[in-house]
Amino acid sequence: EVQLVESGGGLVQPGGSLRLSCAASGFTFSTYTMNWVRQAPGKGLEWVSYISTTSSTIYYADSVKGRFTISRDNAKNSLYLQMNSLRDEDTAVYYCARGGRGWYVDYWGQGTLVTVSS
Amino acid sequence: QSALTQPASVSGSPGQSITISCTGTSSDVGGYNYVSWYQQHPGKAPKLMIYDVSNRPSGLSNRFSGSKSGSTASLTISGLQAEDEADYYCSSYTSSSTVVVFGGGTKLTVL
Repeated sequence: EVQLVESGGGLVQPGGSLRLSCAASGFTFSTYTMNWVRQAPGKGLEWVSYISTTSSTIYYADSVKGRFTISRDNAKNSLYLQMNSLRDEDTAVYYCARGGRGWYVDYWGQGTLVTVSS
Repeated sequence: QSALTQPASVSGSPGQSITISCTGTSSDVGGYNYVSWYQQHPGKAPKLMIYDVSNRPSGLSNRFSGSKSGSTASLTISGLQAEDEADYYCSSYTSSSTVVVFGGGTKLTVL
């Protein structure tokens, strides 16, 4: 069974940093692309970042470019999102999401809440 | 404002069929067959319903179907059931620097 378990969310002040982690199991992690997708309270889904299987290709949404860094450790079956210079508008549930064999997500984690507030 | 345009809400009675539209541009929906649809119940993670415009994941009910005409994609749910009541989001690959865009979501109410 595919499982994606996020951790690292919490309350942080504007301008602060946070590192999210996603532990993957139930599939061969190194053969799948991965994504982070977020959802602000009461709002829709927003794609945040994509990383290829070998980390050779990485994309970011314009809203986080230059502030967030996605990475993965295939030996540890883990995905990460380093978030710096956090803003109020970054407040959201952040989902770890496995890429399908194309431009879609086939499995989602349960999400971790990040709250940016003073 | 979302890159893809969806109606805010749709409704239907049990047994009926409904269609949710997702309108983009030639840079996303109209230019590529990479449209996907997700169902999200309150407080839950999204679930993949359709990928690559019209493909269903293994095990998913054939009551759900997808199509595309020009820059507008559609999700059709036939034989509406109470458990279909949820939010539905479309998504597409885009040639812009963003790479992936979502619609604003559509709330489906089963009357």
